[in-house]
Amino acid sequence: AQKVTQAQTEISVVEKEDVTLDCVYETRDTTYYLFWYKQPPSGELVFLIRRNSFDEQNEISGRYSWNFQKSTSSFNFTITASQVVDSAVYFCALTPTGTASKLTFGTGTRLQVTL
Amino acid sequence: DTAVSQTPKYLVTQMGNDKSIKCEQNLGHDTMYWYKQDSKKFLKIMFSYNNKELIINETVPNRFSPKSPDKAHLNLHINSLELGDSAVYFCASSPRTSGTGFSYEQYFGPGTRLTVT
Repeated sequence: AQKVTQAQTEISVVEKEDVTLDCVYETRDTTYYLFWYKQPPSGELVFLIRRNSFDEQNEISGRYSWNFQKSTSSFNFTITASQVVDSAVYFCALTPTGTASKLTFGTGTRLQVTL
Repeated sequence: DTAVSQTPKYLVTQMGNDKSIKCEQNLGHDTMYWYKQDSKKFLKIMFSYNNKELIINETVPNRFSPKSPDKAHLNLHINSLELGDSAVYFCASSPRTSGTGFSYEQYFGPGTRLTVT
């Protein structure tokens, strides 16, 4: 069984602050993929990043960065210099590799960025 | 260009009715999915089809029946709708389901908000 925990239900920050969204996962699979998705107020789910369990290299994309630590089963997401447009619900998700991609989502973290 | 599309976007109906939601993807992906997002924003997979073959069938009432006429389409039919079926239903697609070197990321449609009264 797989489990993804996003302990932060809601975070509020002022624009330009840095914010980190936590994600902790549990899986018995030796190979898996981790993901982050963004769900803005408009409701669609936007794919942000994929990380293979073999690749612990951190990744930076503009103001976004991701820290994958297999030793602690964590895949945290940091937004630097947050903007109002970052306000959304962010989901961490996990799927084992194999015959079927089956995303298990965390419960999401609602990020509110204010001026 | 629309990648994964769903119709309708909103669906309001009464208990006991039967309704369908349609999904189409033009990404050339082999696999499609249905997810349900409840009022607390929790997302859970319902079904997955790979090249028209059912490969994931979670614990879902048999009032829900997916149908895939071809690999670009996956429809969801719901019989005898109940109040608890009110949710947002997302369709998604991904490039492959097995083998090394594939991404496994899923691309989601805009969602269909179903309200049962």
